[in-house]
Amino acid sequence: EVQLVETGGGLVQPGNSLKLSCATSGFTFSTAWMNWIRQTPGKRLEWLAQIEDKSNNYFISYLESVKGRFTISRDDSKSSVYLQMNNLKEEDTAIYYCTGPGGAYWGQGTLVTVSS
Amino acid sequence: DIVMTQGALPNPVPSGESVSITCRSSKSLLYSDGKTYLNWYLQRPGQSPQLLIYWMSTRASGVSDRFSGSGSGTDFTLKISGVEAEDVGVYYCQQGLEFPLTFGSGTKLEIK
Repeated sequence: EVQLVETGGGLVQPGNSLKLSCATSGFTFSTAWMNWIRQTPGKRLEWLAQIEDKSNNYFISYLESVKGRFTISRDDSKSSVYLQMNNLKEEDTAIYYCTGPGGAYWGQGTLVTVSS
Repeated sequence: DIVMTQGALPNPVPSGESVSITCRSSKSLLYSDGKTYLNWYLQRPGQSPQLLIYWMSTRASGVSDRFSGSGSGTDFTLKISGVEAEDVGVYYCQQGLEFPLTFGSGTKLEIK
């Protein structure tokens, strides 16, 4: 059974940082291109970042508006993908999902609330 | 960025009726490999989105054959043949042609 479990969300003040983790199982993680997508309080879905696999040199793409603030990474030995988020803003408040290849697999999401 | 625009449904829809959800992209999603990079997702209440259709018309694993996708390079349709209670939720289209990947705003399906 495929599982993706996101952790690390919570309440954080503007300007602070948070690191999200996504632990996976049930599929071949090492060859999977992984993504982070968020869903705003208004239910809009927004793609944030993608990291490819080792054979593609772990190539990374970002949404322009988070480039320089968010960093995606992966650890194939732990079948996990991460999202480091710095200088958080109130508009970053959302449910954050990690997703597997082609959007076929989604975790349950982790809620990030940025508020003073 | 590619803009995805979705149509609305005349909710609520009677159970057993067939419905079509429309999606339009601001740029052709047909790639040189012959594939059209358009996905459809369903987000049931309280759940994460689930992939229904990829490459415009290929059903994802385990998805009922009541769901079918069609379209051209910029205009797409998700058809649900005989809606059931479990089909309630919000349907999203998403383009996978280029970064940033973008989603439509969603189409809500309610059943009578």
